[in-house]
Amino acid sequence: DAKTTQPNSMESNEEEPVHLPCNHSTISGTDYIHWYRQLPSQGPEYVIHGLTSNVNNRMASLAIAEDRKSSTLILHRATLRDAAVYYCILSDGGSNYKLTFGKGTLLTVNP
Amino acid sequence: EPEVTQTPSHQVTQMGQEVILRCVPISNHLYFYWYRQILGQKVEFLVSFYNNEISEKSEIFDDQFSVERPDGSNFTLKIRSTKLEDSAMYFCASTVLAWGGYTFGSGTRLTVV
Repeated sequence: DAKTTQPNSMESNEEEPVHLPCNHSTISGTDYIHWYRQLPSQGPEYVIHGLTSNVNNRMASLAIAEDRKSSTLILHRATLRDAAVYYCILSDGGSNYKLTFGKGTLLTVNP
Repeated sequence: EPEVTQTPSHQVTQMGQEVILRCVPISNHLYFYWYRQILGQKVEFLVSFYNNEISEKSEIFDDQFSVERPDGSNFTLKIRSTKLEDSAMYFCASTVLAWGGYTFGSGTRLTVV
């Protein structure tokens, strides 16, 4: 499985934007970039995913580098509820598009 | 918003007993998954299921594990003879498209004593 690299932890302040980086230098052309988050004592929650173009939804934006070797999850205004572990995951057809979770980035949001 | 429903939320079982964890995926989803998370560790893939058969399974998913979709709505994970190390949160997930976003359930906490 292609791998991703994320910082272990990040901190932000409430109501400020947050940019969560992810490096995936070995990404292949058919790999989708997924972001999930896991709040304490809950199951993973889908945030956003994309292939080549930037994506926006009601939760977040995904900015994908032109060479696709990195991406950034953008939370436009962090709230206390956004404190969670954020996972950047590549899924590819060669492995049935299954998700392989790493350790993710623990995001702390300060009031 | 549609949800993946898992029951029970918590199950305690004695070592060596069989357990069945139940999931109701979202109705129009076609791909189904089980994951587990041992306390303090990563979320681990167990098995994927499509078109009424297993499409992939991990090394964890040995002969003690089985999955079924008995009636077109439920998706079950059976552990035949539980071990202490099977204690974990078990998450069911489903998706419409294999490459699409997964919807996860809130999990079943399995405690083997």
